[in-house]
Amino acid sequence: DQQVKQNSPSLSVQEGRISILNCDYTNSMFDYFLWYKKYPAEGPTFLISISSIKDKNEDGRFTVFLNKSAKHLSLHIVPSQPGDSAVYFCAASGADYGQNFVFGPGTRLSVLP
Amino acid sequence: DADVTQTPRNRITKTGKRIMLECSQTKGHDRMYWYRQDPGLGLRLIYYSFDVKDINKGEISDGYSVSRQAQAKFSLSLESAIPNQTALYFCATSDPQSGRYTGELFFGEGSRLTVL
Repeated sequence: DQQVKQNSPSLSVQEGRISILNCDYTNSMFDYFLWYKKYPAEGPTFLISISSIKDKNEDGRFTVFLNKSAKHLSLHIVPSQPGDSAVYFCAASGADYGQNFVFGPGTRLSVLP
Repeated sequence: DADVTQTPRNRITKTGKRIMLECSQTKGHDRMYWYRQDPGLGLRLIYYSFDVKDINKGEISDGYSVSRQAQAKFSLSLESAIPNQTALYFCATSDPQSGRYTGELFFGEGSRLTVL
């Protein structure tokens, strides 16, 4: 049973609009979350993180929101650009995992020109 | 040159063969990891090592073994490959000693393994 879920396998957005990628988790012990971006034929690269002591973290066009009560986080990309087209993975960690991360299945984002 | 280098990048083999995937890093990180990626399942942890004398099983270690030959080298072996080990394998490093540690993993470019 997956502890980190990304229920949308794919998402298409028009260039300039907002992209919202969602992630849900089941383990209430998770207290640190990361988003990674992956282009074809490359390894994932770190994008942004959030600790459970915060409900929002922003880095340029990327903002991650955390709703602990709902066990839900989302990544907002504003404005979306064609270069943002990639697979996005949500990852979570907590005391049970010895600082290792559990990854979601990923969402493929396509930003259309 | 990549900071985390995996070899081979692509490999096709037959059931029952022994396969080794190698990973080397120039980042000077103590922690190294092996993940596999399967469609719809994301990345799953196979083994990890927090220093040269430390080896730990991850979520899906059955059928795999690892060797940490040096701080910079971490290899993954499939002693007798089977078709359901066909996947994309990633090596990664991390550095929790950094003052700016965010939990970030630094991944290699991946090794695609096909077992026929």
